[in-house]
Amino acid sequence: AQTVTQSQPEMSVQEAETVTLSCTYDTSESDYYLFWYKQPPSRQMILVIRQEAYKQQNATENRFSVNFQKAAKSFSLKISDSQLGDAAMYFCAYRGLFGNEKLTFGTGTRLTIIP
Amino acid sequence: DGGITQSPKYLFRKEGQNVTLSCEQNLNHDAMYWYRQDPGQGLRLIYYSQIVNDFQKGDIAEGYSVSREKKESFPLTVTSAQKNPTAFYLCASGTGWIDGYTFGSGTRLTVV
Repeated sequence: AQTVTQSQPEMSVQEAETVTLSCTYDTSESDYYLFWYKQPPSRQMILVIRQEAYKQQNATENRFSVNFQKAAKSFSLKISDSQLGDAAMYFCAYRGLFGNEKLTFGTGTRLTIIP
Repeated sequence: DGGITQSPKYLFRKEGQNVTLSCEQNLNHDAMYWYRQDPGQGLRLIYYSQIVNDFQKGDIAEGYSVSREKKESFPLTVTSAQKNPTAFYLCASGTGWIDGYTFGSGTRLTVV
């Protein structure tokens, strides 16, 4: 079974600075998808960024980028120029490649932005 | 606009009662999922359905039941057998492609 581990329950960053959230996972599959979701106080889950394991290039979405290390099974999220609206719970998630496979989530990292 | 609607937003249940959480989507997604969220434990899968009239247990299915009679609807019943039902429940749907899941806004269930 796949597992996802987020070892940082809480993180904080000064506004406009850069922060990196860590995620590791365990799988025996060679191809899969990885995701970062954001859950603000409204509790609505919002997709931040996604990565296909067969792509070597790290995904980027505006201020959000990932560092995907397949051999190390590591998938960290970097948030540049942090803004107050980035304050939220961030969840790392894994999904198998084929069909409507279930998402397996980590336990989340609560990110606080310091003005 | 397409999306997922969960109702009610807040639900209170007395001990020994069954309650049903509603989840409806108009995204034409084949797959639907129910997750439970507790503090410090992330999201845990309760049940999922990849096609109408078929569903599978997730990691924490005990005390829950579901049905999938229509593509658009995937209601979750929390039975009296669920010993600790107070939690936040999220419904999601997906196409099976890289775009991940679309989530509803959740239902907060409290046992009183």
